[in-house]
Amino acid sequence: SAVISQKPSRDICQRGTSLTIQCQVDSQVTMMFWYRQQPGQSLTLIATANQGSEATYESGFVIDKFPISRPNLTFSTLTVSNMSPEDSSIYLCSSQTGTSGSLTYNEQFFGPGTRLTVL
Amino acid sequence: GQQLNQSPQSMFIQEGEDVSMNCTSSSIFNTWLWYKQDPGEGPVLLIALYKAGELTSNGRLTAQFGITRKDSFLNISASIPSDVGIYFCAGQLYQGGKLIFGQGTELSVKP
Repeated sequence: SAVISQKPSRDICQRGTSLTIQCQVDSQVTMMFWYRQQPGQSLTLIATANQGSEATYESGFVIDKFPISRPNLTFSTLTVSNMSPEDSSIYLCSSQTGTSGSLTYNEQFFGPGTRLTVL
Repeated sequence: GQQLNQSPQSMFIQEGEDVSMNCTSSSIFNTWLWYKQDPGEGPVLLIALYKAGELTSNGRLTAQFGITRKDSFLNISASIPSDVGIYFCAGQLYQGGKLIFGQGTELSVKP
């Protein structure tokens, strides 16, 4: 399985500021995804990030609020812009590989998450 | 948006008991996945299912891909305290597509 790390693991931020979250995968992956998990809730997909193309955002999420970069096959960033207390959540990145050994295309692995609190 | 119906929402069981949880959808999925999330951690993949009717085991865990492709269940046999956590089902419409998650089942195990 892919090993995914995220930085920072947690942060407390002031309203109106921005935070960039980094996601690093230990192997080259085709697709990376960013999810939001609000307190006590399930995971909601923010956007899909493919290397070499613009991120694809889900309904309710926009690029101005959540700009994403995907400069190579092992790294991505998500920025939470102009934060408000409603943005307090866990932000998770995940990766999905192509066929490689015993791994198949459909398996997604998750990072440990970034716990964000906005005051 | 599209959502899976996962039940039960929570379970309180005695150590050693078996557990069963399930997910249903109004849409057909080509892949079903089951994850476990511990507090402060990201979800960890437990079992992936790729074919209707498929029954797959991973230790004490067994999951099945419903024959209609609209449902899946997860069984845990002989539960132990470390089984505590939140279990999520996820469906995928097509290869490379996004995952749609259920609401989660919070499992508590009394020693």
